[in-house]
Amino acid sequence: DSGVTQTPKHLITATGQRVTLRCSPRSGDLSVYWYQQSLDQGLQFLIQYYNGEERAKGNILERFSAQQFPDLHSELNLSSLELGDSALYFCASSVVEETQYFGPGTRLLVL
Amino acid sequence: AQSVAQPEDQVNVAEGNPLTVKCTYSVSGNPYLFWYVQYPNRGLQFLLKYITGDNLVKGSYGFEAEFNKSQTSFHLKKPSALVSDSALYFCAVRDRTGANNLFFGTGTRLTVIP
Repeated sequence: DSGVTQTPKHLITATGQRVTLRCSPRSGDLSVYWYQQSLDQGLQFLIQYYNGEERAKGNILERFSAQQFPDLHSELNLSSLELGDSALYFCASSVVEETQYFGPGTRLLVL
Repeated sequence: AQSVAQPEDQVNVAEGNPLTVKCTYSVSGNPYLFWYVQYPNRGLQFLLKYITGDNLVKGSYGFEAEFNKSQTSFHLKKPSALVSDSALYFCAVRDRTGANNLFFGTGTRLTVIP
């Protein structure tokens, strides 16, 4: 167990809908990262937050957004969902620049 | 730009034999390299990392990796494979341009045959 928790584990929704994925980092970790794992794109970095502030953006679509709250948990919001957004979404946390520890992921299925 | 390549999609090895999962990297500057393992329906588990120092890095579950700067490689190894080692293995390099995100290889599926 990495200490990073993600909810929900599974999510099934329809095209055009909006969902929110939640992540709680390991105790003491200030950085949160979001990654998407899909069959065609592999594992891709989406966005990073550090102590509530956005720190880096990767291949994140404009339909996607995230935030990190004062208690350091983070949420990834996915809107206007398309079939191609079906993927496994991982959250990871770290102490500044140290090793990233990953949560179990949220499996999203868009029908 | 940073990138990693895992040239083998699949590696099969007999139980008890040594295993190697290959990774090559391309970075500007000194690389920060990582190996993660993903078991079915599980998240990524950290195995080991190379930041600096000894080229042979030891990690979890008896795995080790050798950093080779001249060949820009960071191959994962284990002297004696277990059936329970069967999983998906990812090599990653950390962004050195300011962000700390990881760039992952495409993964190598390791199957250990009893």
